[in-house]
Amino acid sequence: DAKTTQPPSMDCAEGRAANLPCNHSTISGNEYVYWYRQIHSQGPQYIIHGLKNNETNEMASLIITEDRKSSTLILPHATLRDTAVYYCIVLPIGSARQLTFGSGTQLTVLP
Amino acid sequence: KAGVTQTPRYLIKTRGQQVTLSCSPISGHRSVSWYQQTPGQGLQFLFEYFSETQRNKGNFPGRFSGRQFSNSRSEMNVSTLELGDSALYLCASSLSGQGTDTQYFGPGTRLTVL
Repeated sequence: DAKTTQPPSMDCAEGRAANLPCNHSTISGNEYVYWYRQIHSQGPQYIIHGLKNNETNEMASLIITEDRKSSTLILPHATLRDTAVYYCIVLPIGSARQLTFGSGTQLTVLP
Repeated sequence: KAGVTQTPRYLIKTRGQQVTLSCSPISGHRSVSWYQQTPGQGLQFLFEYFSETQRNKGNFPGRFSGRQFSNSRSEMNVSTLELGDSALYLCASSLSGQGTDTQYFGPGTRLTVL
């Protein structure tokens, strides 16, 4: 799915904030931004989603630019267990679930 | 609340055989979707079931089929296995599969076809 663009890899020091960018310049007004992550050989894990306002939950914060063309997932205090592939996807409101992941960003948290 | 469970976790089959994978959704979730994940193709949608009916289907051959039971548990079947069917098969459940329902994934079944 070519709707989002992410860097292929990033490193982050343990205990520091990890900021993962995502470009979704063709996003429509009725599409949400979702983030999932997948630790090696495990099923994907939902992290957070948002429409246009910034969102925060116990796992992460999602910052969406005012024009909605890009967003940043922030893991405030990365741990080694946050090492995973992070996927940013856009999904229209009211549609049945048919997720498609791109190649994502491999985040490696370094000790 | 228990998460999505899938059985078996690992499976080895030979070409031409058939296989059945099982998925138990989170309690109260009525939508179950199946995905195939391979290094080359990434995550691909197979089909979605809701209230025992297939609601959506991806672009896979008829060898891939599924069903959902009245308790929302789901099975998928792959007949006449091919080497290219080796993959991680993931099941995901959501409340209704509509709107902004979040999908929650199981750990997957790793199928190896020899």
